[in-house]
Amino acid sequence: QQPVQSPQAVILREGEDAVINCSSSKALYSVHWYRQKHGEAPVFLMILLKGGEQKGHEKISASFNEKKQQSSLYLTASQLSYSGTYFCGTEGGGSYIPTFGRGTSLIVHP
Amino acid sequence: GAVVSQHPSRVICKSGTSVKIECRSLDFQATTMFWYRQFPKQSLMLMATSNEGSKATYEQGVEKDKFLINHASLTLSTLTVTSAHPEDSSFYICSANGQGNMNTEAFFGQGTRLTVV
Repeated sequence: QQPVQSPQAVILREGEDAVINCSSSKALYSVHWYRQKHGEAPVFLMILLKGGEQKGHEKISASFNEKKQQSSLYLTASQLSYSGTYFCGTEGGGSYIPTFGRGTSLIVHP
Repeated sequence: GAVVSQHPSRVICKSGTSVKIECRSLDFQATTMFWYRQFPKQSLMLMATSNEGSKATYEQGVEKDKFLINHASLTLSTLTVTSAHPEDSSFYICSANGQGNMNTEAFFGQGTRLTVV
């Protein structure tokens, strides 16, 4: 079952913050976050496995809620290089095959 | 970190011909690899799960006779698009889980841009 990502698109100026959400109707085994530049393969950012987990560093971090049905990716003080499409990939509902959300397009302007 | 190499990165072929895409895990053994297809501005859609030494598992709506998958070794899976048509033009990406384990990060190949003319 495909996770639901929001928002679909975000436009920021350098230095601004953004939050991207990923949610599922069922409890998940894990959530992965990826960033994809146009024409390139997705690049792994991080994985969260435990309910209540928070991970990452101060600029890019993510959380996984206690029920393991929702994750958020936090981008702080955004840089031009953060531009791209962010996908969450999830495993759950009895399956360990990653399923991806529709993606969130992030554009950072100078 | 683990590396997955996909080849070729771009291919243009004539309608009716077949194209083979290779996916190699360079520094780990991947008993399972995944093949995805991505249309412009859309999500990665799983096509099939490639299992070493056995038949691939295809997702609903994916024609197994058209998209042939072979996973003959622990480091190589191939996807062959047979009798390609313009509607098969897409970005194809493979991935493998590190050390063949589920619930770990998935390493992606570079992707293959297929254009059928």
